[in-house]
Amino acid sequence: EAQVTQNPRYLITVTGKKLTVTCSQNMNHEYMSWYRQDPGLGLRQIYYSMNVEVTDKGDVPEGYKVSRKEKRNFPLILESPSPNQTSLYFCASRTIAGRGYEQYFGPGTRLTVT
Amino acid sequence: AQTVTQSQPEMSVQEAETVTLSCTYDTSESDYYLFWYKQPPSRQMILVIRQEAYKQQNATENRFSVNFQKAAKSFSLKISDSQLGDAAMYFCAYRRSFYNQGGKLIFGQGTELSVKP
Repeated sequence: EAQVTQNPRYLITVTGKKLTVTCSQNMNHEYMSWYRQDPGLGLRQIYYSMNVEVTDKGDVPEGYKVSRKEKRNFPLILESPSPNQTSLYFCASRTIAGRGYEQYFGPGTRLTVT
Repeated sequence: AQTVTQSQPEMSVQEAETVTLSCTYDTSESDYYLFWYKQPPSRQMILVIRQEAYKQQNATENRFSVNFQKAAKSFSLKISDSQLGDAAMYFCAYRRSFYNQGGKLIFGQGTELSVKP
């Protein structure tokens, strides 16, 4: 089954404690990205990757890091989480072949930083 | 910069009735895609329908259809014969046709749709 997986699904942590949210896709997609969803703001792109070892900032990259060492994985790293990073996070992937319409989303990770 | 606006934070519809969700966008591009995503309580993002800007014909998917007005930069979603399972948050989204920032989706604020039995 074609899918994007994220772990953990729920996470409660404290300010300053480094954490990683994993993302993996099994569709051999080149493009992967991270979004955060906040009430009244919709979803906003944090970081994206066009392929292995190619990453770039999205619209709200402050406080986040990413890496793309393998095509299937795109972890999101919060080196020193703060309460304003409490949010719902989505990983997404799609092919860049052709017109590459559909973006596949992971199930989301609910992060709370206290 | 492109923007997407959903001016209806909440909408309500009676079961079996029709409801229209509004979306406007701003872009200087001529070739792009528009999407409606559904987010049920499970939080999963589900693609409902997509429209390519170069196509004049409005997209339809079963009970879901759009009214795409390119000159007015408007992209509304019509849900016919509403069902209880249609209750969800609906997001309008825009993407440029050529990948820029990885084909970033730009989302509206969302419209929470409730369906009354």
